[in-house]
Amino acid sequence: AQTVTQSQPEMSVQEAETVTLSCTYDTSESDYYLFWYKQPPSRQMILVIRQEAYKQQNATENRFSVNFQKAAKSFSLKISDSQLGDAAMYFCAYRLYAGNMLTFGGGTRLMVKP
Amino acid sequence: DAGVTQSPTHLIKTRGQQVTLRCSPKSGHDTVSWYQQALGQGPQFIFQYYEEEERQRGNFPDRFSGHQFPNYSSELNVNALLLGDSALYLCASSSGTRGYEQYFGPGTRLTVT
Repeated sequence: AQTVTQSQPEMSVQEAETVTLSCTYDTSESDYYLFWYKQPPSRQMILVIRQEAYKQQNATENRFSVNFQKAAKSFSLKISDSQLGDAAMYFCAYRLYAGNMLTFGGGTRLMVKP
Repeated sequence: DAGVTQSPTHLIKTRGQQVTLRCSPKSGHDTVSWYQQALGQGPQFIFQYYEEEERQRGNFPDRFSGHQFPNYSSELNVNALLLGDSALYLCASSSGTRGYEQYFGPGTRLTVT
């Protein structure tokens, strides 16, 4: 079974600074997707960024980028120029290429200090 | 374009009762997945519906059942409620069973007393 682990229950960052959230996963599969989701207090899960395992290039979406290390099974999220609106729970998730079931990590609460 | 909608927003039930939660997928989507998110934890997959059939199921007991209607909307039913069923129930929709991206609804907060 696939597992996703987020070892940082809470992180804090100063506004305009950069923060990195960690995620590791365990799988014996070779074709899969990895995702970072943001869940603000409104509870709605919002997709931040996704990475296809077959792509060597790290995904980037505006201020959000990932460091995907397939051999190490590591998938970290870097948020640059942090904004107050980035404060939320962040979940790392895994999904097989052939399927729809997401496996989530336990989450990291990100606090942004003004 | 309406996104994924869920009803009700909040619900309080007593142990042993039964509950039905509802989800309408995003326009153009035909697949609905349900997740349970206990307080302080990540969501856990319950099951997925496509073409009115359950296609994939997570590690949840038979007390959890569902249904998908011809208009692609879906219901989650939980029988014989336990205190441990208290959670946020999230619905996600996508296009097909290999939908590239799942769109989540705002969830239904279920409290079992």
